[in-house]
Amino acid sequence: DTGVSQDPRHKITKRGQNVTFRCDPISEHNRLYWYRQTLGQGPEFLTYFQNEAQLEKSRLLSNRFSAERPKGSFSTLEIQRTEQGDSAMYLCASSLVTDYGYTFGSGTRLTVV
Amino acid sequence: RKEVEQDPGPFNVPEGATVAFNCTYSNSASQSFFWYRQDCRKEPKLLMSVYSSGNEDGRFTAQLNRASQYISLLIRDSKLSDSATYLCVVSTDSWGKLQFGAGTQVVVTP
Repeated sequence: DTGVSQDPRHKITKRGQNVTFRCDPISEHNRLYWYRQTLGQGPEFLTYFQNEAQLEKSRLLSNRFSAERPKGSFSTLEIQRTEQGDSAMYLCASSLVTDYGYTFGSGTRLTVV
Repeated sequence: RKEVEQDPGPFNVPEGATVAFNCTYSNSASQSFFWYRQDCRKEPKLLMSVYSSGNEDGRFTAQLNRASQYISLLIRDSKLSDSATYLCVVSTDSWGKLQFGAGTQVVVTP
């Protein structure tokens, strides 16, 4: 696998439910990023990991959101008590420390009904 | 005010024509600049980095004007496959956090 994988591709959930997304970065990439994109907007930064350490979180990441990267490999993004405003494309990207070349995954499209 | 602003378009371009568009950024400390391409309902993909001296990649030319804080992209000899949204991207951090504009839509018509 030479790309960034995200799972699931699509998720429809009822308001108030919890959802979890997974991202598998390119294996040698030690930086991992989560972004969120809504219709007509560019991606907005959510959080960043270098190896297993979460080094930055956006103010967009309310206390209902949590992200982990337990062994410095794959990452999960959990949203608790989903709201309709959480409906968006959630994008994961990875890169090398010395390289600005982001590779994005195909994203997880979340619809909260 | 958004950190990166772009004309949303759409720019309707006849096949074979040239199209150019800009974006402006607000943070004078921005260090790195990029253009990404995004097809409908797909992930963004890096088109090219933008260097202070300007740079070309085939039919694509990018320019950076630090004094006026704008970045431009020019597409020559437009192809139907160039139809996409072009995202202007800047970074002010050393660890790679990127600020994206909302994108400029380009539609190339036969």
